[in-house]
Amino acid sequence: GDSVTQMEGPVTLSEEAFLTINCTYTATGYPSLFWYVQYPGEGLQLLLKATKADDKGSNKGFEATYRKETTSFHLEKGSVQVSDSAVYFCALRGFNSGYALNFGKGTSLLVTP
Amino acid sequence: GAGVSQSPSNKVTEKGKDVELRCDPISGHTALYWYRQSLGQGLEFLIYFQGNSAPDKSGLPSDRFSAERTGGSVSTLTIQRTQQEDSAVYLCASRSEGNTIYFGEGSWLTVV
Repeated sequence: GDSVTQMEGPVTLSEEAFLTINCTYTATGYPSLFWYVQYPGEGLQLLLKATKADDKGSNKGFEATYRKETTSFHLEKGSVQVSDSAVYFCALRGFNSGYALNFGKGTSLLVTP
Repeated sequence: GAGVSQSPSNKVTEKGKDVELRCDPISGHTALYWYRQSLGQGLEFLIYFQGNSAPDKSGLPSDRFSAERTGGSVSTLTIQRTQQEDSAVYLCASRSEGNTIYFGEGSWLTVV
């Protein structure tokens, strides 16, 4: 079945450091891919998405490119801020369960001043 | 409000009691999902409603769990005879016509 694997955290970075959170997936067909973010005490929010191969999703300085050849959707940001501290979830939407999302286990990011 | 609304935000219950969790989706969204988020386990799909179609219950972990959606809008997730392993955050989400899924802030359930 469809699945998502993302790097385990926690990840601790200094402010202005470069961020990469790896995400790979297994799916039949061509799923849509997402990154969701959960800030402390808040609900899940969509960060960015890509619906077909080679698409790049971007938002708030974060980017991720849908790589079909490596089945990956790594999240990157060139310069993180303390306010980026959160849990990041990679997810895919296949063609079952009414387009329900399959999530990775989440990666906790802590950015220190 | 404009977002997915869930209640209660926090619930502490005794083992063996029944609980009901409510979700009010974004107006006009016909698809509604329930997920469970357990510590260290990520997000687990529970159930999906689409309009008047029969729900997809394939993710419900046991027959103690059930959900209904009245009038194609508000949904209630019921957990009977709660167990300590049911302690988790229960997240509701609804889907827009553009197929983006929006989540509520969740109901934090603690079974003691």
